[in-house]
Amino acid sequence: QQPVQSPQAVILREGEDAVINCSSSKALYSVHWYRQKHGEAPVFLMILLKGGEQKGHDKISASFNEKKQQSSLYLTASQLSYSGTYFCGTDSGSARQLTFGSGTQLTVLP
Amino acid sequence: DAGITQSPRHKVTETGTPVTLRCHQTENHRYMYWYRQDPGHGLRLIHYSYGVKDTDKGEVSDGYSVSRSKTEDFLLTLESATSSQTSVYFCAISEEGGTTHYEQYFGPGTRLTVT
Repeated sequence: QQPVQSPQAVILREGEDAVINCSSSKALYSVHWYRQKHGEAPVFLMILLKGGEQKGHDKISASFNEKKQQSSLYLTASQLSYSGTYFCGTDSGSARQLTFGSGTQLTVLP
Repeated sequence: DAGITQSPRHKVTETGTPVTLRCHQTENHRYMYWYRQDPGHGLRLIHYSYGVKDTDKGEVSDGYSVSRSKTEDFLLTLESATSSQTSVYFCAISEEGGTTHYEQYFGPGTRLTVT
């Protein structure tokens, strides 16, 4: 079953913060985050493993709450380059298959 | 960037014709995946492969078949194309190792239109 992402879309100004949530009805082994710019391929951002620590990548970080089967992506002091669609991919432990959410479209305005 | 190419990049075909899309990698990664991407649905797994001649179905496999005769190539075939298969198709690869733990790298995509 597809994880649920929220919000579906968010618009913010350069320098503002944003949080994107990903929630699953299944027990999760790991959560992956990807960013896709219009007309391009998705690009890997980070992976959070069950029992692992919070990850960070520049000013983008994420957390994974195993008990709630939720993950959140935190974008701090957003830059114009952060614009794109963010997808979470969840792994419930079956042979490296990921199930992706429908995406959150993030627009950063100057 | 991971060495993944897809061909063709764009294709228009007619309903009922067979279509084959190719994914080629130069990374010698074990796992290869085919996804389709449609508005509002994100990425949905069609088929995947965990080695030469080892493949399995994903979430939306009906109407699709795959083959992997070499590590570097993963072919997706639409046996008889339908308009519902109009989509953008992405290939991805992954390899387990160290701290990377099977992150997936995506190819540039193939835009397929079935008329």
